[in-house]
Amino acid sequence: DTAVSQTPKYLVTQMGNDKSIKCEQNLGHDTMYWYKQDSKKFLKIMFSYNNKELIINETVPNRFSPKSPDKAHLNLHINSLELGDSAVYFCASSQGGGANTQYFGPGTRLTVL
Amino acid sequence: AQSVTQLDSQVPVFEEAPVELRCNYSSSVSVYLFWYVQYPNQGLQLLLKYLSGSTLVESINGFEAEFNKSQTSFHLRKPSVHISDTAEYFCAVSPSGGYQKVTFGTGTKLQVIP
Repeated sequence: DTAVSQTPKYLVTQMGNDKSIKCEQNLGHDTMYWYKQDSKKFLKIMFSYNNKELIINETVPNRFSPKSPDKAHLNLHINSLELGDSAVYFCASSQGGGANTQYFGPGTRLTVL
Repeated sequence: AQSVTQLDSQVPVFEEAPVELRCNYSSSVSVYLFWYVQYPNQGLQLLLKYLSGSTLVESINGFEAEFNKSQTSFHLRKPSVHISDTAEYFCAVSPSGGYQKVTFGTGTKLQVIP
């Protein structure tokens, strides 16, 4: 039973395209996150939702739009993809924030050509 | 704002030797501290965390870390490493209380040499 799953695992696309990444967690958690990990392994938070409400919105281009249809799902839509968007995107979830352990998905490797 | 510094980007160590991965943080408020591990082509997993109480925290697989408030450090140690410990290790910090964001360090790649 996968706790946090993401689809797709790999995504290769051309500059200018629009793409979506989906995330689902079956842990019953109320908080979900999107992180971006660049080629140097630097991990940076992008967004966080608690009970479908956006609570963390870092300085991210507005081409990135998260959407949480329910507590178990958090999707990421990216418009007009750029070369610099190439990275591994991780979804994570936790019960509450701060002190609570975050459970990460396997990641989506996005390559923009 | 919080920040985390992991000075060593790579640490090679022979199997069964001890290892220390260094982590220093900066914060004007009290914090929670974490170590996460990332095995190749996988997501991160929590190794251990400090929230309050005893400054020495341990993981189930033999790692330990000590919170040192005066030195603002949270170094990770293991007395004897195994090949299977080869991975990327991330130190992270979060302000205590509420829905605060977790800030990750740049990671340290532990390479265990047979």
